[in-house]
Amino acid sequence: EEQLSESGGGLIQRGGSVKLSCEASGFTFNIFAMNWVRQAPGRGPEWLATISGSDGSTYYADSAQGRFIISRDNSKNTLFLHLNSLRADDTAVYYCAKVERPYVDWQTAFDVWGHGTKVTVTS
Amino acid sequence: QSALTQPHSVSGAPGESLTISCTGTNRDIGGYDFVSWYQQKSGQAPRLIIYDVDKRPSGVPDRFSGSKSGDTAYLTISGLQAGDEADYYCCSYAGGDVPFGGGTKLTLL
Repeated sequence: EEQLSESGGGLIQRGGSVKLSCEASGFTFNIFAMNWVRQAPGRGPEWLATISGSDGSTYYADSAQGRFIISRDNSKNTLFLHLNSLRADDTAVYYCAKVERPYVDWQTAFDVWGHGTKVTVTS
Repeated sequence: QSALTQPHSVSGAPGESLTISCTGTNRDIGGYDFVSWYQQKSGQAPRLIIYDVDKRPSGVPDRFSGSKSGDTAYLTISGLQAGDEADYYCCSYAGGDVPFGGGTKLTLL
């Protein structure tokens, strides 16, 4: 069974940083582009970033560009998101999600999601 | 503000059919055939139910179907069941961006 499991969230002070992790299992990790998507309370999902399967190419939403960094360790089947200069409006549940087809960087659809990790930015 | 526009809520009786719309632009829905739909129940992660406008992943009942016309995509649910009560979100590839809709809450009467 294809599974994703996030960790690393918690209470973070405004202006602070945190690194989220996502462990993958049940599929060949290095052939799929991986993504971070967040969902603020009462809002729809918001795509943040994508990293390609093998060459490390990265793509960011405007809201993430310059503050968030996506990375991956294919030897450990793990995806990361480093959040910097956190603001109150970064409070959300952060999900990792897998693109549904291999060998493409395009975010065609997200077929496997983790349970999410909650980040709360405090003042 | 979400880039794709969905009705805030829809309702229907068990056994009925209903359709949820998702309106974008020629830079997203109208420009690519990479529209997807997600079902999200309270406290759970989103679940993919439609991809590539009208394809269903394995395990999704054929009561769920998708279509597109111009800049608007549609999710149709036939034979409504109690377990279909959830929030539904559309999403589209947009050439460097990936906008989601604001969500539609489906309530059974």
